[in-house]
Amino acid sequence: GENVEQHPSTLSVQEGDSAVIKCTYSDSASNYFPWYKQELGKRPQLIIDIRSNVGEKKDQRIAVTLNKTAKHFSLHITETQPEDSAVYFCAASTYGNTGKLIFGQGTTLQVKP
Amino acid sequence: DAGVIQSPRHEVTEMGQEVTLRCKPISGHNSLFWYRQTMMRGLELLIYFNNNVPIDDSGMPEDRFSAKMPNASFSTLKIQPSEPRDSAVYFCASSLVSGANQPQHFGDGTRLSIL
Repeated sequence: GENVEQHPSTLSVQEGDSAVIKCTYSDSASNYFPWYKQELGKRPQLIIDIRSNVGEKKDQRIAVTLNKTAKHFSLHITETQPEDSAVYFCAASTYGNTGKLIFGQGTTLQVKP
Repeated sequence: DAGVIQSPRHEVTEMGQEVTLRCKPISGHNSLFWYRQTMMRGLELLIYFNNNVPIDDSGMPEDRFSAKMPNASFSTLKIQPSEPRDSAVYFCASSLVSGANQPQHFGDGTRLSIL
């Protein structure tokens, strides 16, 4: 079955710097890759997603890149702000249109003011 | 849109008691997912339904756990009897599956403490 590995597990950056979180997946048939942000005590919330027919997607300070050949995708946050501090999860769809997602282990991002 | 609604938000009970968690998915969504989140194990998928039918329950930890979805707007996750190691945050999520995978939308979760 699908397996998603996420790195790093923790990341600390200075306000204004960029942050990059990387994920690899095992199932070459996976075709949908969302990213979720979870603030302390809150629910995971979708921040950006990408499909396998696109190599890059950007939304203001957030961008996601996908390399299907290497089976990895990355989240890029530019000009980080203290409110970006949270746990970030990547996920990959499983084969077939079931809606099931396999989540990475999460990355705790700390943005220091 | 009210989003995914879960109840209760918090539950504290003694071990051995039955616990029932409830979820109302977003109207029109046809897939529903139950997750458990702990510090040690992260976000685990317990079971999911497509069109009210359980598709994969391989994540359900033991026979003490059961889930139902009697109609498109309601699902329950039941633990009987409960144990202290069941303490966790339980999330319900829903999505619309039609032709292409769509994002899952999470509820606010139920924080369960078993004493």
